[in-house]
Amino acid sequence: DAGVTQSPTHLIKTRGQQVTLRCSPKSGHDTVSWYQQALGQGPQFIFQYYEEEERQRGNFPDRFSGHQFPNYSSELNVNALLLGDSALYLCASSQASGGPFTSTDTQYFGPGTRLTVL
Amino acid sequence: AQRVTQPEKLLSVFKGAPVELKCNYSYSGSPELFWYVQYSRQRLQLLLRHISRESIKGFTADLNKGETSFHLKKPFAQEEDSAMYYCALSVWGGYQKVTFGTGTKLQVIP
Repeated sequence: DAGVTQSPTHLIKTRGQQVTLRCSPKSGHDTVSWYQQALGQGPQFIFQYYEEEERQRGNFPDRFSGHQFPNYSSELNVNALLLGDSALYLCASSQASGGPFTSTDTQYFGPGTRLTVL
Repeated sequence: AQRVTQPEKLLSVFKGAPVELKCNYSYSGSPELFWYVQYSRQRLQLLLRHISRESIKGFTADLNKGETSFHLKKPFAQEEDSAMYYCALSVWGGYQKVTFGTGTKLQVIP
């Protein structure tokens, strides 16, 4: 099992453009969460997908949207890019169906996609 | 709303010295607390979680609900412990939401 994989590794865009980031969860996991990690900061929760629906959302504008596919993989889309969107975007997968305080809800992280907006 | 505070951005200790990475949280319910670690050029990975009550790589952390703290401790630091450490809080409302602290860089001096 390769664990959580993300593509691409790096991406350079200009202001106003749109970007799509991709994530494949760890085998057996059904839930995908996305985080933004700015330089020098901890990961900030963007949203979580389960059963192809957005279940929970952090404090991010509607420019950030996502999708989960039947195979549990996920995409993060960001429209109208701003300079401040430059960050490392992390995907984490888990098996949330086990519920809280169970070993299955531990989140496993991917290596991230480094997005630079010029 | 939940919050996680890690007051130290950088903690430098000598090899063999004790280590304590501080973490305080605010949440009115019953959260689950985690410590994640990121070694150089590696992905973020779970170090330990409070419900497991395990000692991983010599690290332990005790949840103190009275002080709302979850400090990470190790009696004798090793050079390979040098990394970024993130404290995280997980809450459930039919779904899981994880809040991370800003992280503490641990530097173990040989």
